[in-house]
Amino acid sequence: RKEVEQDPGPFNVPEGATVAFNCTYSNSASQSFFWYRQDCRKEPKLLMSVYSSGNEDGRFTAQLNRASQYISLLIRDSKLSDSATYLCVVNPPDKLTFGTGTQLKVEL
Amino acid sequence: EAGVTQSPTHLIKTRGQQATLRCSPISGHTSVYWYQQALGLGLQFLLWYDEGEERNRGNFPPRFSGRQFPNYSSELNVNALELEDSALYLCASSARVVAGAYGYTFGSGTRLTVV
Repeated sequence: RKEVEQDPGPFNVPEGATVAFNCTYSNSASQSFFWYRQDCRKEPKLLMSVYSSGNEDGRFTAQLNRASQYISLLIRDSKLSDSATYLCVVNPPDKLTFGTGTQLKVEL
Repeated sequence: EAGVTQSPTHLIKTRGQQATLRCSPISGHTSVYWYQQALGLGLQFLLWYDEGEERNRGNFPPRFSGRQFPNYSSELNVNALELEDSALYLCASSARVVAGAYGYTFGSGTRLTVV
């Protein structure tokens, strides 16, 4: 089983749609969780941390379910500029482990 | 504040040669991480250096090696290059005490092409 698993997509959604990504992780000792965004041929950039109580940053909402060992990212009112690959990231700890990413394409 | 810087941005080598990639962390960060991202694949953890020592290593052969210097910059060396080593090599840094706890900041990467 992979340490971090994500649906690779692509998710093709119209502008303004709400889209959700899920991610599961295998190491129950994981302590920190993140979502990163990676644009084509660029480096990954931290989008947001994920806290146990759930957290929101503008149109983005992240949730963590430790019991089921999954993380989610909800994007509301998606914009064309949200098109990217979203990486689920877990800290086991001692190093960040990345999922392979979910590709999002927002279309007119 | 300068971010993580990597050099060179692009590197073309022939099979069997050696490649050296360099990384300078954010000022004040003591941990440096190296990841490999092959085309269409996810980021694979290569190496973690902290305070000049190798702390952890991913599932890569010994021809992938590196070091960290007293100023916390780092080198990644890949010996006996193979075609499948062609990838984007990303370096990231974090403060040691909270290594990973607040995520990493990545450099823009070195794109290595082996022909």
